Amino acid sequence: DIQMTQSPSSLSASVGDRVTITCRASQSISSYLNWYQQKPGKAPELLIYGASRLESGDPSRFSGSGSGTEFTLTISNLQPEDFATYYCQQSYSTSHTFGGGTKVEIK
Amino acid sequence: QVQLVESGGGVVQPERSLRLSCAASGFTFSRYGMHWVRQAPGKGLEWVALIWYDGSNKYYADSVKGRFTISRDNSKNTLFLQMNSLRAEDTAVYYCATDKVPAPPGGCFDNWGQGTLVTVSS
Repeated sequence: DIQMTQSPSSLSASVGDRVTITCRASQSISSYLNWYQQKPGKAPELLIYGASRLESGDPSRFSGSGSGTEFTLTISNLQPEDFATYYCQQSYSTSHTFGGGTKVEIK
Repeated sequence: QVQLVESGGGVVQPERSLRLSCAASGFTFSRYGMHWVRQAPGKGLEWVALIWYDGSNKYYADSVKGRFTISRDNSKNTLFLQMNSLRAEDTAVYYCATDKVPAPPGGCFDNWGQGTLVTVSS
C-alpha cells in the first residue's frame, strides 16, 4: 500500500502569514494527490485535486504543487477561517490513503 | 445542491452488526462512484470502501475487508455499508462521499455527508 506522510503535524501561524504543508508519498503517484480542509466537528471539504487544481468556490490563496512523491499545499495570506486541519490523500491506487493531517493553529 | 445524509449509527457490542445508509439528492446518483470514509475520535481520516456507479466494482480497505460490504440502490438514491463482526477499533464517525468524476471513479471526494457515529463497546 502507498503510505502518505505529512509534515509538520501541527504549526502555529498568524493572520497574514504564508503557510506551507508538505506531503510525501512512499512511491510515485504522478499528480493523483488531493488536499482537504477539516474544521472541528465538520466534514472535510475538498480544496485541491490533481495536485494543483483549485476546487470551485475555494479561495485563490490556496495553491498546490508537486508531482511524483513530493507535494505542497500553500496558503498565502492566512485568514482566520483557515485555521483548521489539512489532509492530503492519494488517488493513484484504490487504497486511497490519507496523510496523518496538519493542524494549523493561531499563534 | 448535493446533499448526503447518513444514518444508522449507534452503540453496538463487539462482534455484532450494523448497517449504515446514506441518502443522496441533488445530483444524478447513478452516474457516480460512492465512498465511505471514517474518522476515529481525535484521529485522522481513513478511507473504507468504494463502489462504482453501477455497483459492478467494489474496493475495501484491508482493515475492513471480509467484514464490511458496500452496496447501493440506484432506484432509491441510497448507499449502504453493512458492517459485521465489529471491533472496538471500528469506532468512528462514518462519512459517505461522492467521487468527483463520473465513471470510472477518480478517487477524489468532492461532497461529504455530515457523518454518523458508530461506537463499538460492550
